[in-house]
Amino acid sequence: AAGVIQSPRHLIKEKRETATLKCYPIPRHDTVYWYQQGPGQDPQFLISFYEKMQSDKGSIPDRFSAQQFSDYHSELNMSSLELGDSALYFCASSLDPSGLYNEQFFGPGTRLTVL
Amino acid sequence: AQTVTQSQPEMSVQEAETVTLSCTYDTSENNYYLFWYKQPPSRQMILVIRQEAYKQQNATENRFSVNFQKAAKSFSLKISDSQLGDTAMYFCACEGAGSYQLTFGKGTKLSVIP
Repeated sequence: AAGVIQSPRHLIKEKRETATLKCYPIPRHDTVYWYQQGPGQDPQFLISFYEKMQSDKGSIPDRFSAQQFSDYHSELNMSSLELGDSALYFCASSLDPSGLYNEQFFGPGTRLTVL
Repeated sequence: AQTVTQSQPEMSVQEAETVTLSCTYDTSENNYYLFWYKQPPSRQMILVIRQEAYKQQNATENRFSVNFQKAAKSFSLKISDSQLGDTAMYFCACEGAGSYQLTFGKGTKLSVIP
């Protein structure tokens, strides 16, 4: 079965640089979520999109922005990177949460290292 | 908004034995979902089991079962016949129905000892 695809899998950046993380949801999934998991931490919700519109917003820094495109893939743009942004970034997808199927399927994550 | 608490940072169990991981939660939602996710050293997030709050029957998936106590807001995970491959971090999570985010607990690191 097709899974959530994230690219790149690993990314190394310098402080103050920018990074773009991409997420390709499972086919027919219309909702995408982004989570950040710091070292030894639990995943923290950043932002989500349903049908290309932002549906919920969590602890996402103002330096970060995201969008969902017409093909339902999503991109997380991160600017002015800081050392503390080093983390594993998960994307997850699901069918419309207001329906019966609420399960979020997680991608393998993008490991971002800021030097 | 939801909060999830896992009071056991680390646990260990002998292979083939049974272990129970604890989780309590709080939510203002009338309807919500509860989940247990497994995160092995590969860091992949794997859904272990889910429970709809409106269902009284406890969910079961092979060796994994939950004890859902709605009034007490408790959602524990029981792993029977523990296997070495069960060694992982386990996260309890809650999501309000129609919500667009999971709230995770801090996790319990489970080690299965041969």
